[in-house]
Amino acid sequence: NAGVTQTPKFRILKIGQSMTLQCTQDMNHNYMYWYRQDPGMGLKLIYYSVGAGITDKGEVPNGYNVSRSTTEDFPLRLELAAPSQTSVYFCASSYTPSGGDTEAFFGQGTRLTVV
Amino acid sequence: GESVGLHLPTLSVQEGDNSIINCAYSNSASDYFIWYKQESGKGPQFIIDIRSNMDKRQGQRVTVLLNKTVKHLSLQIAATQPGDSAVYFCAEIGEGSNYKLTFGKGTLLTVNP
Repeated sequence: NAGVTQTPKFRILKIGQSMTLQCTQDMNHNYMYWYRQDPGMGLKLIYYSVGAGITDKGEVPNGYNVSRSTTEDFPLRLELAAPSQTSVYFCASSYTPSGGDTEAFFGQGTRLTVV
Repeated sequence: GESVGLHLPTLSVQEGDNSIINCAYSNSASDYFIWYKQESGKGPQFIIDIRSNMDKRQGQRVTVLLNKTVKHLSLQIAATQPGDSAVYFCAEIGEGSNYKLTFGKGTLLTVNP
């Protein structure tokens, strides 16, 4: 199993550009999450999904959008990149909600810089 | 608002010693806690979890202690090894906040040979 795969690993964007961070998992997990991690900080939840076709906002959703057309994929979209979105982004999945009997599996992260 | 925080941002120990990483939480309704290990350039990795109806749980070389009276959580690592060097995060799920895993700031553990 590949687990949770994120692409790209690194990206530099100019202010106002848009991009999509890809996340896919091959574990048939129903729950998926996007977090951002700023330097020296913990992870903040951006969006999450409890299954295909269902998404909901986390703590810091502004400036982002998500979709969940399949169980495997949970892309994160930045429409108008801003310097405040410079961060490391982590995708995670689990087959119960975080807080159930299994942990969330994380991808390796996408390091995004907006200049 | 409710938050999860850590007492110490850095911890340096000698190889072979035991390590104790502490975490304070403020949401008294928290009912599930997880410790994650994050190595440089990698995503968080699950270490151990504990529910609020427990006060201790042991894994391989790790023990988590939960003191609900003072809202304190700790991770004990026995015989710390160089491979244990990483940032350790505690995270919590509060009652009624389904699916939202809240992370603390993290503690950088450095193991000296």
